[in-house]
Amino acid sequence: EAGVAQSPRYKIIEKRQSVAFWCNPISGHATLYWYQQILGQGPKLLIQFQNNGVVDDSQLPKDRFSAERLKGVDSTLKIQPAKLEDSAVYLCASSPLPGGTEAFFGQGTRLTVV
Amino acid sequence: QKEVEQNSGPLSVPEGAIASLNCTYSDRGSQSFFWYRQYSGKSPELIMFIYSNGDKEDGRFTAQLNKASQYVSLLIRDSQPSDSATYLCAVKKGVGNQFYFGTGTSLTVIP
Repeated sequence: EAGVAQSPRYKIIEKRQSVAFWCNPISGHATLYWYQQILGQGPKLLIQFQNNGVVDDSQLPKDRFSAERLKGVDSTLKIQPAKLEDSAVYLCASSPLPGGTEAFFGQGTRLTVV
Repeated sequence: QKEVEQNSGPLSVPEGAIASLNCTYSDRGSQSFFWYRQYSGKSPELIMFIYSNGDKEDGRFTAQLNKASQYVSLLIRDSQPSDSATYLCAVKKGVGNQFYFGTGTSLTVIP
């Protein structure tokens, strides 16, 4: 079974530029999560999708971050404009069911804003 | 108030000892509880999960849940240097089963 795919693996941008991350969850997984993990901290939930609907985006900085899940499968997370404090690893995870089961993580995208 | 609280450590134990990692959660409605291990520069990977009060054992790992105290722990018996990593506690809660993580506890097993 293929795992969660994310791209790119690394990205370096200047502040005020825009950037987009892509995630392809495990086939058949209805739930998709985007997390931000700053160095030395635990993953922070940014947004959770159930199929193509948003379940929770309460911690997503909506003035600069946006996310969508196309046809309930792939997802993109965008930052525009980026700030220095957005430097982090962006992790995508998916889960087969809304409840009870674990989340499987992709390799993450390491973003550096300079 | 954070959903999940962990002591960030670092925690150091000698090889062969028992490592004890602790976690508390704020919402009594939290439904399921997970322990993930994260090696430096890698993604989190699941160690085990627990739903019911009591102990759950899987090899060298034992998860303990006390819902009355809102407390989850992970015991690692016969600790090995390869267990050196950050251990993340996570909870699922809410109508949408939101998945929240703690800040993690760094464990070092000294040979």
